[in-house]
Amino acid sequence: SAVISQKPSRDICQRGTSLTIQCQVDSQVTMMFWYRQQPGQSLTLIATANQGSEATYESGFVIDKFPISRPNLTFSTLTVSNLSPEDSSIYLCSVRQGISDGYTFGSGTRLTVV
Amino acid sequence: LAKTTQPISMDSYEGQEVNITCSHNNIATNDYITWYQQFPSQGPRFIIQGYKTKVTNEVASLFIPADRKSSTLSLPRVSLSDTAVYYCLVGDNNDMRFGAGTRLTVKP
Repeated sequence: SAVISQKPSRDICQRGTSLTIQCQVDSQVTMMFWYRQQPGQSLTLIATANQGSEATYESGFVIDKFPISRPNLTFSTLTVSNLSPEDSSIYLCSVRQGISDGYTFGSGTRLTVV
Repeated sequence: LAKTTQPISMDSYEGQEVNITCSHNNIATNDYITWYQQFPSQGPRFIIQGYKTKVTNEVASLFIPADRKSSTLSLPRVSLSDTAVYYCLVGDNNDMRFGAGTRLTVKP
């Protein structure tokens, strides 16, 4: 199965600033997914990123707040912009494996906004 | 998308078999049923996936009745390290939405 390297693992940021999270996959994948997991909660899909096209955002998430880049088939970044304490959460990237193998997740980025 | 309903929490003891049931009444023809396990401070980990009847791997079994409106994840002889949140997802593998999950606590 694919191996995902997600960076940073955690960060503490000042409100009003931005944080960019990187995900590197050890194999080429068509679709990459970005999730948010608030403390004690389930995962919420933010957007789906395909290489060479604009990311598709879920309801409640907008490109200005969560810009995504997907420059090639092994890499993607998610930026959380204009940070506020409500953005404190864990952010995870994910890729799809084979048809019957589910998805592989990165280890997550724990963001704290102060 | 089919919505899933799972128990919020379950308790078990080491060595017991644990069965977690997920309801998905609106499952579509193309949908698969997939279960994930998540430990604190880690991303979810794929456990098992099925479409119908029974699927078994080295970790768990998945039972799906003929109408596919529910599914049961079976964990044989759990240990303390199986304490985690277990998520049932229903979808066509291009759109994975997580429900609330079941928090399983295994006690000694």
